[in-house]
Amino acid sequence: AQSVTQPDIHITVSEGASLELRCNYSYGATPYLFWYVQSPGQGLQLLLKYFSGDTLVQGIKGFEAEFKRSQSSFNLRKPSVHWSDAAEYFCVLNTNAGKSTFGDGTTLTVKP
Amino acid sequence: DAMVIQNPRYQVTQFGKPVTLSCSQTLNHNVMYWYQQKSSQAPKLLFHYYDKDFNNEADTPDNFQSRRPNTSFCFLDIRSPGLGDAAMYLCATSRGVGPLNTGELFFGEGSRLTVL
Repeated sequence: AQSVTQPDIHITVSEGASLELRCNYSYGATPYLFWYVQSPGQGLQLLLKYFSGDTLVQGIKGFEAEFKRSQSSFNLRKPSVHWSDAAEYFCVLNTNAGKSTFGDGTTLTVKP
Repeated sequence: DAMVIQNPRYQVTQFGKPVTLSCSQTLNHNVMYWYQQKSSQAPKLLFHYYDKDFNNEADTPDNFQSRRPNTSFCFLDIRSPGLGDAAMYLCATSRGVGPLNTGELFFGEGSRLTVL
């Protein structure tokens, strides 16, 4: 069975500081991996996705993520956080024909 | 420009009074999903349609029903809402299986249900 773990329930960073949100997955083959962001009261917006090829993927809003097969990880990074990045972040795994498996999410708070 | 549209964005109902939430898509995707999301939790899949084929999750209460009259529209019916059904309901689409499918989900803005 597939699973996704986001170890950090809540992260607080100062505006302008760097950010890394962790995501670990369990699946027997290479999955499709996604990061979505959800602002309060809104739907989920895709930040970036990994299917194959280059393990460092670039997304919108200055985010990037690196797929590391050896560590079963797909961590999300941003070099300099803006106040508008405060939101809930979900790491999601899909196996093509299967359902999407969500992590529990990480809430990001940005201090001024 | 909106591709998955949910209506209404906010719905207030009384305990036991039926509610219908709607979702429309302009992506021509095969699959449409309904998720329930409670505060500070991940979305929980209720059911999905692959074209006209309905797929219910094992733990989805019978109180929740769905209809998909055509490719573009999908409805979520809550027959007798209880206080525990207050949540955000998210509609999403995906292409379905095949070489173009990667499982990417396209979400609507959600419908927030309040039960009084």
